[in-house]
Amino acid sequence: DGGITQSPKYLFRKEGQNVTLSCEQNLNHDAMYWYRQDPGQGLRLIYYSQIVNDFQKGDIAEGYSVSREKKESFPLTVTSAQKNPTAFYLCASTLIGAQDYGYTFGSGTRLTVV
Amino acid sequence: KQEVTQIPAALSVPEGENLVLNCSFTDSAIYNLQWFRQDPGKGLTSLLLIQSSQREQTSGRLNASLDKSSGRSTLYIAASQPGDSATYLCAVMGARGSARQLTFGSGTQLTVLP
Repeated sequence: DGGITQSPKYLFRKEGQNVTLSCEQNLNHDAMYWYRQDPGQGLRLIYYSQIVNDFQKGDIAEGYSVSREKKESFPLTVTSAQKNPTAFYLCASTLIGAQDYGYTFGSGTRLTVV
Repeated sequence: KQEVTQIPAALSVPEGENLVLNCSFTDSAIYNLQWFRQDPGKGLTSLLLIQSSQREQTSGRLNASLDKSSGRSTLYIAASQPGDSATYLCAVMGARGSARQLTFGSGTQLTVLP
């Protein structure tokens, strides 16, 4: 079955440590996105990529970095510069050029600072 | 900048009741509007997608409407069941620029009492 796989499901980070969240899709989608969700709030866009080797900052990119070396993969690194990284992180993808096409989401990674 | 508002923030109804969730957005330049369901600690599941040229979409007991000119959408759930308990998120895909970004509301937390 096609879909988006996020791993790990739970992740614990120590102060000053960088961690990487994985996102892989086998839907042959062009664009991929990373969102952050905090309790009681809507999703906020961190980074997105429409083609391989290109990505753009979203609304809250500070303290995060991404790469897009392969079409199916879009890992997110939470760096030590991100002061409040505890949140639920969601990866999504969609087709470019199809206005009637929506987003598909992964099952999320919950990151906790310990 | 697009803003999406969902009312009410929380709703509790007895089983069997019909209910309406509301979503409003400030910029009518959209490609589509998507309704999602999110269970606690899980990713987002797409329920319905309405293209900007459409007025409504139906799937089983769910019906979503779109009035683009007034910036409003409603999600109608017929004969609610305890299994419908979840958070419902509305998201619009902006038509300004090429990023195909979704802007989310903060969600309506629905509880259906047996």
